[in-house]
Amino acid sequence: AQSVTQLGSHVSVSEGALVLLRCNYSSSVPPYLFWYVQYPNQGLQLLLKYTSAATLVKGINGFEAEFKKSETSFHLTKPSAHMSDAAEYFCAVSQGAQKLVFGQGTRLTINP
Amino acid sequence: DAGITQSPRHKVTETGTPVTLRCHQTENHRYMYWYRQDPGHGLRLIHYSYGVKDTDKGEVSDGYSVSRSKTEDFLLTLESATSSQTSVYFCATKQGGAGNTIYFGEGSWLTVV
Repeated sequence: AQSVTQLGSHVSVSEGALVLLRCNYSSSVPPYLFWYVQYPNQGLQLLLKYTSAATLVKGINGFEAEFKKSETSFHLTKPSAHMSDAAEYFCAVSQGAQKLVFGQGTRLTINP
Repeated sequence: DAGITQSPRHKVTETGTPVTLRCHQTENHRYMYWYRQDPGHGLRLIHYSYGVKDTDKGEVSDGYSVSRSKTEDFLLTLESATSSQTSVYFCATKQGGAGNTIYFGEGSWLTVV
């Protein structure tokens, strides 16, 4: 069965610093991978997704993620954090054509 | 905006009472989902539907039932609410295909006292 592990339930960075949120996946088939963002009291919004085209995927708000098969990773990065990036981030992997399996989430805090 | 409306958005109910949450979509997506979100657990799938009258269980389905009589509506029912079902419930929809995006509603906050 497919699964994802997000390393670090809380990440704190300074404004302007690099953001790195880690996600490792387990899948018996070539995976489809997703990053979602959730702002307080809102639903989840797609940041980006990997669907076996380019291994470096660019998303909204300056985020990108790189699919590394050898490391079974799909880490999310942003070169320079903004205060508005404070949110919870979820990595997810497709389980068949019907379902997504989510990681437990990483709460990102931005320090001024 | 994926055209997903959840109702009610907030509800407080007493233990033992039945509760129904409604999800309405305007995108004509085939798949609809109910997730619950709890601290430390991320999002967990309760039930999902792959067509009218076609539903299946997710990982945390005990105590919940669903119905889908029309493409656009997916109902989640707590037959007899318990305090452990206090949570935020999200409806989501998707068109077919493993690489397609799942779109989420804004959530329904349920408190069982």
